[in-house]
Amino acid sequence: SQQGEEDPQALSIQEGENATMNCSYKTSINNLQWYRQNSGRGLVHLILIRSNEREKHSGRLRVTLDTSKKSSSLLITASRAADTASYFCATFSGSARQLTFGSGTQLTVLP
Amino acid sequence: GAGVSQSPRYKVAKRGQDVALRCDPISGHVSLFWYQQALGQGPEFLTYFQNEAQLDKSGLPSDRFFAERPEGSVSTLKIQRTQQEDSAVYLCASSLSGRAPNTEAFFGQGTRLTVV
Repeated sequence: SQQGEEDPQALSIQEGENATMNCSYKTSINNLQWYRQNSGRGLVHLILIRSNEREKHSGRLRVTLDTSKKSSSLLITASRAADTASYFCATFSGSARQLTFGSGTQLTVLP
Repeated sequence: GAGVSQSPRYKVAKRGQDVALRCDPISGHVSLFWYQQALGQGPEFLTYFQNEAQLDKSGLPSDRFFAERPEGSVSTLKIQRTQQEDSAVYLCASSLSGRAPNTEAFFGQGTRLTVV
């Protein structure tokens, strides 16, 4: 079963706009990671945020983590058509020693 | 190559046939994971290896699924007597360490299995 749930399931925006995706999870975690998957391809790691961190930046990506609410958000600024993909959050729990993925958000950036 | 390599990329099997899916992880990576991804869904955990030891196989859906990593590098996922519900993309990932925080996982392109 999947631990995380992404919201929204699908998001369509114009190029240049910002895209925000949310993730909620159920159990305590060591870290939370965001991955991107282009159609028919493997997953690409975007960013990892540890449980003792609240915010992290990488280029046009900004991730926040609220462990009290068991939620995270991924913000992509100044989106590009090439950002069109599915985005997944994944949680790592040391006791389980596995990455548990959510169901994903399908982002479409219109040129 | 520098990344995780999986073969074959595509496999069509007749129902009842056995299949073997191969994963070449990044050299030196201790941890190796197998995931199953149905269309439109997120990856579902199947099994985890730390070197040659299979530490977690709780996600394997039935005893028809078997995975091995005998020398701590290449891994094979075998599915016996395939059934239509086994149709999915099978993803392999490796990471340098199995312990947080160094658990960034690198994924292969996956093997798309279609059982007809």
